[in-house]
Order: sequence, then C-alpha cells, then structure tokens
Amino acid sequence: EPEVTQTPSHQVTQMGQEVILRCVPISNHLYFYWYRQILGQKVEFLVSFYNNEISEKSEIFDDQFSVERPDGSNFTLKIRSTKLEDSAMYFCASRDRGHGNTIYFGEGSWLTVV
Amino acid sequence: RKEVEQDPGPFNVPEGATVAFNCTYSNSASQSFFWYRQDCRKEPKLLMSVYSSGNEDGRFTAQLNRASQYISLLIRDSKLSDSATYLCALGNTGGFKTIFGAGTRLFVKA
Repeated sequence: EPEVTQTPSHQVTQMGQEVILRCVPISNHLYFYWYRQILGQKVEFLVSFYNNEISEKSEIFDDQFSVERPDGSNFTLKIRSTKLEDSAMYFCASRDRGHGNTIYFGEGSWLTVV
Repeated sequence: RKEVEQDPGPFNVPEGATVAFNCTYSNSASQSFFWYRQDCRKEPKLLMSVYSSGNEDGRFTAQLNRASQYISLLIRDSKLSDSATYLCALGNTGGFKTIFGAGTRLFVKA
C-alpha cells in the first residue's frame, strides 16, 4: 500500500536554528498538507499546497514557516528561527483528486527545540 | 462555538460493549466528513468517511446529520485493539483544509 514518508523521524535542534522537515507524498497525489500536534493536544492544520502554490494556511503558519516542492517528489516544511513552542510532531499528508477529499498521513517528524 | 467539538472522554468500556461518539461542527459549509483513529504518538489513520446516508464498515457505523451539524461513530462488540483516540474531521469545499477535533479517548478493558 502506498504511503507518505517523512524524514527525519526525530530531530533535536537548538532554539533559533532553522529546521527543514521532508516529506514524500503518495506518488499520484496532487494535494499536500502539513499539520502539527503539540504533545497532548489536537492535530492542527498548518498549510495546504496544490499546483505549486499554497492553497490555504492557518494563523499558525506565519512568516516563520515556508513550504516548497523542490522537485517532483519531495514536499518540505522549513521552520526558521525555531522557538521552544515549536516542539511538536509535524505530520505531512497528501490526497488524490476526488476520493471524497480523504487525506493520508505520514508517520510524522518529532521536533524537539531545546 | 468551536469549529469541531467532540465528547471529551475518556470512555472506559468492557470488551464486547457498544460505544458511541459524537462530534458537532459549526461551519455548515463543511463538505466532507471523516473519522480517524490515532494511537499514542502515531499518525491519524482513516477509519471511515461519513456520508449523508450513513455508512457501515464491519463493527463501525458512521452517521451524518447536516441539519443538526453533527456526526457520530458507533462501535459494536468492542475489542481491546479498539483502544485509541478517535478524531472527527471535516473538509471544506475543494478539500484544501481538513480540520480535526480534539479527539475522544477510548479504553477497552478485558
């Protein structure tokens, strides 16, 4: 069964550093997403990406964050100048056109900012 | 009113019990509805989509009530392996944004 893959599975970074989280969506999918889940809290929408541009973003997704699809397979989330409160699990997700808009998640990248 | 609101839980039930979860939403323009399951420190996994006519998948039955803006999930004959957090999710028009409820924790005990 095709799946969304994410790297790294866990990253520890110093406060103020930049982090890039990588995702390989399911190969024929056209819509890509990033979500965040702080430990013990809900899954929060960050951003969606379609046709090489951001489709929607939440208020969490401020200038500190950016997304990119640098080639035909990868989808990245960059977090500049990380803060302690950025510590969370970051999930990438993707979906195909149609199929009831169902999104499929990767296993996530744990980010710990120290 | 929160965008998506779920029973807070946790629900503690014995094996074999029937358990029901409800989820209410505030945006009447929501177009697609889902139940996901999330195990501890794992990604959400789709359990089932929810259709207006209601749908069933084995021991799981989902219902959507657009007029009252809620969706429900019924689990029959609970198994130990059903222990998880159940998240309801709503997609907007175009599917560019799917939002999640905070989840309801279920513990099934022997």
